[in-house]
Amino acid sequence: NAGVTQTPKFRILKIGQSMTLQCAQDMNHNYMYWYRQDPGMGLKLIYYSVGAGITDKGEVPNGYNVSRSTTEDFPLRLELAAPSQTSVYFCASSYSNTPSNQPQHFGDGTRLSIL
Amino acid sequence: AQSVAQPEDQVNVAEGNPLTVKCTYSVSGNPYLFWYVQYPNRGLQFLLKYITGDNLVKGSYGFEAEFNKSQTSFHLKKPSALVSDSALYFCAVREGRRDSSYKLIFGSGTRLLVRP
Repeated sequence: NAGVTQTPKFRILKIGQSMTLQCAQDMNHNYMYWYRQDPGMGLKLIYYSVGAGITDKGEVPNGYNVSRSTTEDFPLRLELAAPSQTSVYFCASSYSNTPSNQPQHFGDGTRLSIL
Repeated sequence: AQSVAQPEDQVNVAEGNPLTVKCTYSVSGNPYLFWYVQYPNRGLQFLLKYITGDNLVKGSYGFEAEFNKSQTSFHLKKPSALVSDSALYFCAVREGRRDSSYKLIFGSGTRLLVRP
């Protein structure tokens, strides 16, 4: 049981390039989330999904897009990379939204640098 | 709007001594409170949560936290610190409303350094 798997672990992009951060979970969780972690800032929610075909914006969605075609996968797309998107990105999942069913399970992160 | 404050960027403690990592919150209504730990180059790991009931919550690795409604605090504690407890600790809160969005609000994190 792998939990939440993120690929790649590290990536360097040039300004204006695009890329997709992959996230997969094998726990049959309905809810999936993308966060970014900046130094000294904690985690900020980018997008989340409550099930296949359903996504919604979090606190900082600008510059990102997501899709959820299957329960298992929740990719995050950067269309035009900007230096402000340099960050560590974490994917998370949870079985439901009830408080007793959180906590969220986290992947190990993707470290992205935009130069 | 809900928010979480972790007033200390870093906490230093000697191995064997008790440790406290502070967290205060602001929500409308009843809060759901969580503590997570992050080791280098890893994602967050759940430690413990307060939903309702006993104000003293026990969690993983010997950690516990005390919910104090009047002080709107949820401080993380451990009676005897280990060097291996050195990590980054995050407090998080979610509002306890039925129509609440599916969001945890995280504090900025506190780095715990336990000296041998």
